Amino acid sequence: DAGVIQSPRHEVTEMGQEVTLRCKPISGHDYLFWYRQTMMRGLELLIYFNNNVPIDDSGMPEDRFSAKMPNASFSTLKIQPSEPRDSAVYFCASSLSGKGTEAFFGQGTRLTVV
Amino acid sequence: ILNVEQSPQSLHVQEGDSTNFTCSFPSSNFYALHWYRWETAKSPEALFVMTLNGDEKKKGRISATLNTKEGYSYLYIKGSQPEDSATYLCASTTSGTYKYIFGTGTRLKVLA
Repeated sequence: DAGVIQSPRHEVTEMGQEVTLRCKPISGHDYLFWYRQTMMRGLELLIYFNNNVPIDDSGMPEDRFSAKMPNASFSTLKIQPSEPRDSAVYFCASSLSGKGTEAFFGQGTRLTVV
Repeated sequence: ILNVEQSPQSLHVQEGDSTNFTCSFPSSNFYALHWYRWETAKSPEALFVMTLNGDEKKKGRISATLNTKEGYSYLYIKGSQPEDSATYLCASTTSGTYKYIFGTGTRLKVLA
């Protein structure tokens, strides 16, 4: 398996534009997580899905953020409209339920909003 | 403890020194404790997953212990090498939610 795949790796956009980040989890994994990395807060959990269903979105900062998982092999994180303070690295991770399992991370998307 | 906390925030050691750092996590509804190694410009990679009180795991020069009753875990590195330089993250998962909550990490720099 190629691991968790995120795209794009880098995104530069202007304030006010819509941004869509994409994630392909590892095949067979039933949990998917979106994290945001910032200097101040480290890795913040934004939202996670189990079997494509959003379980907890309490970490989503504002209504400008939304996430979907239309099927087991694809998820998106959308920011509309984007703001400079959204600039960060966004990571997607997937895992298999069960004790003793680990989460596998994608390479991240570095988002810069100017 | 309500959140996952790690200490120290950063650490510089000389090559060959042994070192350790701490992860504190909520002990109620504990499910698993994870340690990750995160190199700059890469994604976090799992080191250990521990689930039982008293668990000890080892991988080469790196080992970890777990105390679920008091809510802490230690990560040890024996004979640090420059290639050990990275941020070490711990994450806690609680039963019923399975979401990984991360600490802010310990940034280790091993000086040659």
